[in-house]
Amino acid sequence: GAVVSQHPSWVICKSGTSVKIECRSLDFQATTMFWYRQFPKQSLMLMATSNEGSKATYEQGVEKDKFLINHASLTLSTLTVTSAHPEDSSFYICSASSGPPYEQYFGPGTRLTVT
Amino acid sequence: DAKTTQPPSMDCAEGRAANLPCNHSTISGNEYVYWYRQIHSQGPQYIIHGLKNNETNEMASLIITEDRKSSTLILPHATLRDTAVYYCIVRVDGGSNYKLTFGKGTLLTVNP
Repeated sequence: GAVVSQHPSWVICKSGTSVKIECRSLDFQATTMFWYRQFPKQSLMLMATSNEGSKATYEQGVEKDKFLINHASLTLSTLTVTSAHPEDSSFYICSASSGPPYEQYFGPGTRLTVT
Repeated sequence: DAKTTQPPSMDCAEGRAANLPCNHSTISGNEYVYWYRQIHSQGPQYIIHGLKNNETNEMASLIITEDRKSSTLILPHATLRDTAVYYCIVRVDGGSNYKLTFGKGTLLTVNP
């Protein structure tokens, strides 16, 4: 149980375009989803926390107008990188949490390359 | 959340026990110790967590010192597939919004 999927697993886009990444909890309802970013040889950095039906809470230094997060249902959250630039190239990982004991279950990640 | 300190890397022979240490000397009474691991280019995987008692599951054992200032994750019979970065995280429990703050972790390399 507690499986989280992400789609796509990798994506290449041109500079200036937008790209959407989906995160789904397959066998449980996720009241909270988290989005992380990981640059090569670095650790995961939390970008934002989203609760179903509410606006996302962004970490300091993360541009909310650039990284749009939607958590419209208990099984789906999306991250849209708007006007992507090469410096946005990274590994984006989501996690999902439900009721007690509030474990976070992670998706497999999405590799974004902006050319 | 309290900060943790882990060695940057460790080696272990296949079939032997891997003991990964973690220092968390500023841990508060209501903070749990969590362990996750990340295999290259994958999302992190939950391993185990505990408050003050030792814990064991099918993946590993967690030994927490009596003063709770340090802990050790034990993989009893390491395999090549256990090669990964292991993260020790302390976190307050009590709600789905509670964040995990990842440090640099320990790169465990299991050698044949």
